[in-house]
Amino acid sequence: TQLLEQSPQFLSIQEGENLTVYCNSSSVFSSLQWYRQEPGEGPVLLVTVVTGGEVKKLKRLTFQFGDARKDSSLHITAAQPGDTGLYLCAGALGETSGSRLTFGEGTQLTVNP
Amino acid sequence: NAGVMQNPRHLVRRRGQEARLRCSPMKGHSHVYWYRQLPEEGLKFMVYLQKENIIDESGMPKERFSAEFPKEGPSILRIQQVVRGDSAAYFCASSPTPPGMVSPLHFGNGTRLTVT
Repeated sequence: TQLLEQSPQFLSIQEGENLTVYCNSSSVFSSLQWYRQEPGEGPVLLVTVVTGGEVKKLKRLTFQFGDARKDSSLHITAAQPGDTGLYLCAGALGETSGSRLTFGEGTQLTVNP
Repeated sequence: NAGVMQNPRHLVRRRGQEARLRCSPMKGHSHVYWYRQLPEEGLKFMVYLQKENIIDESGMPKERFSAEFPKEGPSILRIQQVVRGDSAAYFCASSPTPPGMVSPLHFGNGTRLTVT
C-alpha cells in the first residue's frame, strides 16, 4: 500500500491548458514538499508547505496543503512545454523524521506544443 | 559546483559482482540520504547517515546492501553480489539540518545501475 497516492499517474495536455495534480494520504504530515524531476536528473525542490490550508504560488504554479494536512494539490496555469517532467510529492510524517521523506509515485506530465 | 555529486553516473555490473556508488554532499551538509528509484516509480528511502553514523537504515535490504559516511571522503553505498533486481537509479540527497526541522533535500543526478 502506497502511503502517498498521486493522481493522475500520467497526464498529457496541450500548451496553454490548465491542470491539477493531487497527492492524497490517510496519514497526517508535518510538512509536504513538491519536487520536479527531469529525465536523467535528480528531483529538484519546488515548494515546502507546513501549515494546514496553506497556499503557495510560484509563478504559474499554485500549491495547496489540505486543512487536515493529509493531502495536497499542485495547479499549473497555462502549461508550457518546459513544464514537462515528473512531479513528485513527498511528506514528512513527524517532527522527529522531518528530513526523512516518503515519496509518492509521481505524476508524469507531458505538455505538447 | 556546490551541488550533490554522485559517481559514476552509469554503472554496469554482471550478476554476482559488487557495485560501489559514491556521493559527495553539498558543502556544509552533514546529513546524507540514499533513495532508490525503479522505472515509473517514486523514490524509496533506503538509509540516512550522518558523519560516521548510520541513523536510520530501515529502508535497506537486510542482506548485500551497506552504506557508510566516513569522517573524510564521500558516502558510499555498497551492493554485494548484485542481482538483476538491483537494477535501478540510486539517488543521494543531502541536507544541512538534522531531523526535527523542515529542510529540503538537495539531490544528486543519480547513479544508474544496470545488472546484466
